[in-house]
Amino acid sequence: KQEVTQIPAALSVPEGENLVLNCSFTDSAIYNLQWFRQDPGKGLTSLLLIQSSQREQTSGRLNASLDKSSGRSTLYIAASQPGDSATYLCAVRQTSGTYKYIFGTGTRLKVLA
Amino acid sequence: DAGVIQSPRHEVTEMGQEVTLRCKPISGHDYLFWYRQTMMRGLELLIYFNNNVPIDDSGMPEDRFSAKMPNASFSTLKIQPSEPRDSAVYFCASSLVGRGPEGYTFGSGTRLTVV
Repeated sequence: KQEVTQIPAALSVPEGENLVLNCSFTDSAIYNLQWFRQDPGKGLTSLLLIQSSQREQTSGRLNASLDKSSGRSTLYIAASQPGDSATYLCAVRQTSGTYKYIFGTGTRLKVLA
Repeated sequence: DAGVIQSPRHEVTEMGQEVTLRCKPISGHDYLFWYRQTMMRGLELLIYFNNNVPIDDSGMPEDRFSAKMPNASFSTLKIQPSEPRDSAVYFCASSLVGRGPEGYTFGSGTRLTVV
């Protein structure tokens, strides 16, 4: 059974720092992996999607990497800003035959001004 | 586009009562998902539909839960009878396959409290 873990559960950093959020999964047979952002009281917003054949994806100050063989993904945020404060969740999709995503429990990020 | 619309935003009900949560997906999206989020269990997929047909309901916790999608623009998640342990935030999401990042759009959720 696939399990997705995110460490740390919470993170507080000063503005301007570069930071890395970690995601690990137990079954490396994934179809793709997504990173989401969730603001308090809101739904999730998809940030980046990495297909199983890809190593990384970039969008602005965000860079997500995937090492499928070791069951790990990282989300790198460059030059963090207070507006980046949110909970970040990763989710894996197992096979192309299903649209089912397994979510991690998230990392709650606070960027201090 | 107004996005995925869920109603109500908040629901407080007494144990044993029937609860109906509603979702209007984005027009043209062919997948619809119902998720439940709690502090203990995180975000869990309950059921998803493709072109109004239920595809995977293995996440539905008990027979007390049921979901329908009578047409492409409306879905409901019903809990009958409700129990305090059903208290959670319920999210609806819709997607258009092939539009990366898979066009996944979440609604703002319904916060359900069963007392």
